[in-house]
Amino acid sequence: QLQLQESGPGLVKPSETLSLTCTVSGGSISSSSYHWGWIRQPPGKGLEWIGTIYYSGSTYYNPSLKSRVTISVDTSNNQFSLNLSPVTAADTAVYYCARHASSAWSAFDYWGQGTLVTVSS
Amino acid sequence: DIVMTQSPDSLAVSLGERATINCKSSQSVLYSSNNKNYLAWYQQKPRQPPKLLIHWASTRESGVPDRFSGSGSGTDFTLTISSLQAEDVAVYYCQQYYTTPQTFGQGTKLEIK
Repeated sequence: QLQLQESGPGLVKPSETLSLTCTVSGGSISSSSYHWGWIRQPPGKGLEWIGTIYYSGSTYYNPSLKSRVTISVDTSNNQFSLNLSPVTAADTAVYYCARHASSAWSAFDYWGQGTLVTVSS
Repeated sequence: DIVMTQSPDSLAVSLGERATINCKSSQSVLYSSNNKNYLAWYQQKPRQPPKLLIHWASTRESGVPDRFSGSGSGTDFTLTISSLQAEDVAVYYCQQYYTTPQTFGQGTKLEIK
């Protein structure tokens, strides 16, 4: 059974960098069949797609965040990561990693449990 | 960006009755070359991640009860729960993955009447 688990600091100061890692187990991130994404959800609000990566390193970003986002992949550790910088209070959210069911243009069929990141001094 | 608008924002339905949630996209998400609608539905319960119910507008994900069905094409879509169960209380989201940025509807909160 595929599992995804987000990890990283739960508190980040304004103007600093938010860094999260998603560890994939029960399957290989290097599978040519799938893409991997990050989605966030501010408390009490809806879902926002942040970006998507393929094991080769190809990336697709939300234009609204593109200037501040970097998504990378580490196939040797079966992980992919999110960096967002600089952050403001508006970046406070639950951050989810997820797998696309196939290509980058497909639904998300497996999700991590999510991790709350609070931006505050 | 494609704007996804769900209606209603909240809905209360009696157990065993039908629940219908609508989703309208600001432009078509039907890809003509493969005749597929790039539209998914998710269910989110409190303190849980979203769960994929339906993709390609009408394809039920494995393990999803058959009381859940999706329909529609182009810009207008519907999620129907044929006979509401207590465990269906959740927020439901539609999502388009036709183009970047992928976007979600604002959510519809479903409760028991």
